[in-house]
Amino acid sequence: KNEVEQSPQNLTAQEGEFITINCSYSVGISALHWLQQHPGGGIVSLFMLSSGKKKHGRLIATINIQEKHSSLHITASHPRDSAVYICAVGDDMRFGAGTRLTVKP
Amino acid sequence: DSGVTQTPKHLITATGQRVTLRCSPRSGDLSVYWYQQSLDQGLQFLIQYYNGEERAKGNILERFSAQQFPDLHSELNLSSLELGDSALYFCASSVGPGTGSYEQYFGPGTRLTVT
Repeated sequence: KNEVEQSPQNLTAQEGEFITINCSYSVGISALHWLQQHPGGGIVSLFMLSSGKKKHGRLIATINIQEKHSSLHITASHPRDSAVYICAVGDDMRFGAGTRLTVKP
Repeated sequence: DSGVTQTPKHLITATGQRVTLRCSPRSGDLSVYWYQQSLDQGLQFLIQYYNGEERAKGNILERFSAQQFPDLHSELNLSSLELGDSALYFCASSVGPGTGSYEQYFGPGTRLTVT
């Protein structure tokens, strides 16, 4: 079993839909990172969180330390949100396999 | 633009060769991280330097080495290259020393192709 599991692996949505991507982990962590990788390959850090909830624009990230689970939500999804979303945890940055999101107009 | 620069953008070389990848962190950041992203292994943490000193080591092969210079730029040296070393190599930087405890800013990556 991988130490960091993401679901779903692939997700296709219609523009405007509410999106949820999940990340479960089995190691103890100080923080969890959500990253976005664009089709061109560039990586952008979306959130780093160690408790509770953070919001940035249409993106919301939550984490439950006791349950070792985090979710990334995208409200009112847009085609420009199409990317791979990756979670990373732990002091040695262990990565999930990523969730490939495609938002259709 | 994250403020992290990496050179070169692309590199094509032959098996057995040695290459050097360069990274300049964001202004003010003291930590530099190196990551490898291959098709079969996904993203993997290789190594972190903080203010010139090695801070944390991940899945870095013995054929690979890195250093951080006094001006805080970093170089990743890959030697005795194998086909399996073909990958995207990312550098990231952050302000503090804790490997997973600070937001990281990623460079655009260097695509290495070993033929």
